[in-house]
Amino acid sequence: RKEVEQDPGPFNVPEGATVAFNCTYSNSASQSFFWYRQDCRKEPKLLMSVYSSGNEDGRFTAQLNRASQYISLLIRDSKLSDSATYLCVVNMSGKLSFGAGTTVTVRA
Amino acid sequence: GAGVSQSPRYKVTKRGQDVALRCDPISGHVSLYWYRQALGQGPEFLTYFNYEAQQDKSGLPNDRFSAERPEGSISTLTIQRTEQRDSAMYRCASSLDVNTEAFFGQGTRLTVV
Repeated sequence: RKEVEQDPGPFNVPEGATVAFNCTYSNSASQSFFWYRQDCRKEPKLLMSVYSSGNEDGRFTAQLNRASQYISLLIRDSKLSDSATYLCVVNMSGKLSFGAGTTVTVRA
Repeated sequence: GAGVSQSPRYKVTKRGQDVALRCDPISGHVSLYWYRQALGQGPEFLTYFNYEAQQDKSGLPNDRFSAERPEGSISTLTIQRTEQRDSAMYRCASSLDVNTEAFFGQGTRLTVV
């Protein structure tokens, strides 16, 4: 089983829509969690950290469910500029493991 | 420096040659990571360091791959006797501490012909 698994998508949504997707991780001892964004042929960039109580950053909301070992990302009021691949990242004892990414395409 | 710097940005090498990829992390960052990324895939973990100590090298594909960070700053990923299947984007990242977010360099695109 992979350490981090994501629905690859693609999620094709119209501007203004809400889109949400999950990521599951296999190691219950994982300590910290992140969402990264990667644009085509660019390096991954941090979108947001994920905290136990859930957290929000503008139109983006991240949730962590330790009991079920998944994290989620919700994007409200999607913009064309949100089109990207979203990578789930799990840290276990310093090792950062990435999911394969979820592709989101926002259309006009 | 301002960000993570990797060199060269592009490397074309002949099969059987050795290559060395360099990563200069953000100044003061404790942890340094190496990843390999194929098109359409997420970054695949290779190895990471805290300071100069290699903490985990479980992701290195075989013994042709090695990495070092002798002074706890710059790191080199070396691939010996390169093969075509080694062609990929190699990415380096650094983080301030073991549980904090990592910042990536622009990567080195390696092509083995």
